Amino acid sequence: DAEITQSPRHKITETGRQVTLACHQTWNHNNMFWYRQDLGHGLRLIHYSYGVQDTNKGEVSDGYSVSRSNTEDLPLTLESAASSQTSVYFCASSVGERNEQFFGPGTRLTVL
Amino acid sequence: GQNIDQPTEMTATEGAIVQINCTYQTSGFNGLFWYQQHAGEAPTFLSYNVLDGLEEKGRFSSFLSRSKGYSYLLLKELQMKDSASYLCAVVDSNYQLIWGAGTKLIIKP
Repeated sequence: DAEITQSPRHKITETGRQVTLACHQTWNHNNMFWYRQDLGHGLRLIHYSYGVQDTNKGEVSDGYSVSRSNTEDLPLTLESAASSQTSVYFCASSVGERNEQFFGPGTRLTVL
Repeated sequence: GQNIDQPTEMTATEGAIVQINCTYQTSGFNGLFWYQQHAGEAPTFLSYNVLDGLEEKGRFSSFLSRSKGYSYLLLKELQMKDSASYLCAVVDSNYQLIWGAGTKLIIKP
């Protein structure tokens, strides 16, 4: 069955370290997204991609980067982790204009 | 700016009916989603409305009025497993999803 996976599921890191969160989907979807979810906020878009070599900034992209070298993967990198980036991170994928998104299980990141 | 409003929390009784409202102001409209999210889990798709009216799917129904910028999710015959957060999301003119903060639904026996 097609699926979308994230790794690691939990991560504790220190301020200033570089961290990469992996997202892998086997739906063969062109569109992939990274969100963060914090209490009191909805899902906030960090970066998104509509295909290989395409990446775009979302509303909260500062301090994050992505790259898309194939259809299946969209890794999210925190260049220098900050305590404000402690959050739950969700990856999602979709196809078509309706943009129904399928979510991975999430990564809980703690920055100390 | 773009804005999606939902109540923060609602409480209902097992077996009853509950209506969760969502109002929106967005740059364009290309559809509205409702997702369910259990604590510690990922959001999962519940319904999609793009035309005015009611869409029914088992115990869950979703209504849309584009002229009023309004939608609701109706849950009937509530079960304890319906305790979750319910997220409203609008597809804007750029086909991006704009998310509400979610409504936490607590079901009491």
